[in-house]
This record gives sequence, C-alpha cells and structure tokens, in this order.
Amino acid sequence: QVQLVESGGGVVQPGRSLRLSCAASGFTFSSYTMHWVRQAPGKGLEWVALISYDGRNTYYADSVKGRFTISRDNSKNTLSLQMNSLIVEDAAAYFCAKDGRPNTWFSSSLFDWGQGTLVTVSS
Amino acid sequence: DIVLTQSPGILSLSPGDRATLSCRASQSISSSYLAWYQQKPGQAPRVLIYRASTRATGIPDRFSGSGSGTDFTLSISRLEPEDFAVYYCQQYGSSPLTFGQGTKLEIK
Repeated sequence: QVQLVESGGGVVQPGRSLRLSCAASGFTFSSYTMHWVRQAPGKGLEWVALISYDGRNTYYADSVKGRFTISRDNSKNTLSLQMNSLIVEDAAAYFCAKDGRPNTWFSSSLFDWGQGTLVTVSS
Repeated sequence: DIVLTQSPGILSLSPGDRATLSCRASQSISSSYLAWYQQKPGQAPRVLIYRASTRATGIPDRFSGSGSGTDFTLSISRLEPEDFAVYYCQQYGSSPLTFGQGTKLEIK
C-alpha cells in the first residue's frame, strides 16, 4: 500500500532554513506528480508546491515563491522541500501528497497523504 | 487565482440527517477538476470525491458530489457518527491549486 512519511520538521528561528523530506513507498514514485500542502495550527489547508513526475516542472504558491524549492530524487523515492528565509507565517504541519493519476499534473486530486511534519518558526 | 468559498462555515446536524455542503468558485473550474476532502482532528485529509462527482475508492455511497462550472455540492445522505469532521473543496485544474476554507460538520 502507498506510504508517505515526512520528516525534517522542527523549531527554527525566523530567517533560517529547514529541509523537509518525504519517503515514498508502495507505488511507482517516478510516475506520479507530488505536492506539499501545509496547515497552520487550527487553520485550513494551503497548497504549497508541486513537482511533476519527471521533475521537469515545478509550481509554487505565491506565498513561498522564491523562498521554497521542491525537488525529487526518483532513484531514492524521495520528495524534498527546501525552505529558506522562513517567516512566522510558515509555521504549520507540512504534508506531502501524491496525485491520483500517473504521468500528468493539473488533472488529478491528491489521493494519498502522509501524516505530516510540524514546522515551528519562533525566535 | 481561483478562490473557493465554502458555505456554511459550520453545519450542526444529527446522525441520520442529510448534509448539504456548498463550494462556489470565483471562476469556472476547467473539466470539473474539483475534489472534496474530509479531515478529522490530528489526521491527514482523505479524498472523498474527485472530478466533482466521482467517489474515491472505498468511500461509502452516502457521499455524493455534484455541480459544474462555479457551483459544486457535497451531499451526505444519512449522517453516521464518523462523518462529523471538517470538509474541504479543492480545485486542481490550474495553478495555484486552491482549497476552500472548510466547512465544519458538527453534532447537534
């Protein structure tokens, strides 16, 4: 079965960096577009970024563009999110999620989700 | 950006009732690329409906989705105790992907 396990969360000061990872298993990772979605404490869901199945295309929310970088290593079945210049508003649980259809993007909902990793931004 | 507005914000009903949740988009959603998710406290979201009206695998048939263009609805025909949760709509046809602000379905 599909498993997505996030790691790398923690407490970081404003202006610093953090790198999140998502280990994927149970499916052909290289065939699926992957996403990061975040949820601030007590708030709703906010899409952060996606990377196409082949890694050639990336898209970002305006709130993180220029600060965050999504990447993937299809040889290691791993998704990453490099977060630089963190601000208080970036504090949230970060979920990695998988598209429901292979070899496409912007045409599938998010079918499988990890349990999330918590990022706290505080001085 | 496509803004999704969900109503009501909170819906108070009893087990056995029918629930109707609304999601309105600021512009037409291409190919009805709209999904509904359920989220319970401390858990990741779970997809219920995609392409506006297709139930995801394993989702009970008391959940149904309808709509097109800018107006979409999630209906739950007979509420079970486990259905009380927060529900989000999401459009995935264009960047940025966007979610509605959520509807909390609570026990009356």
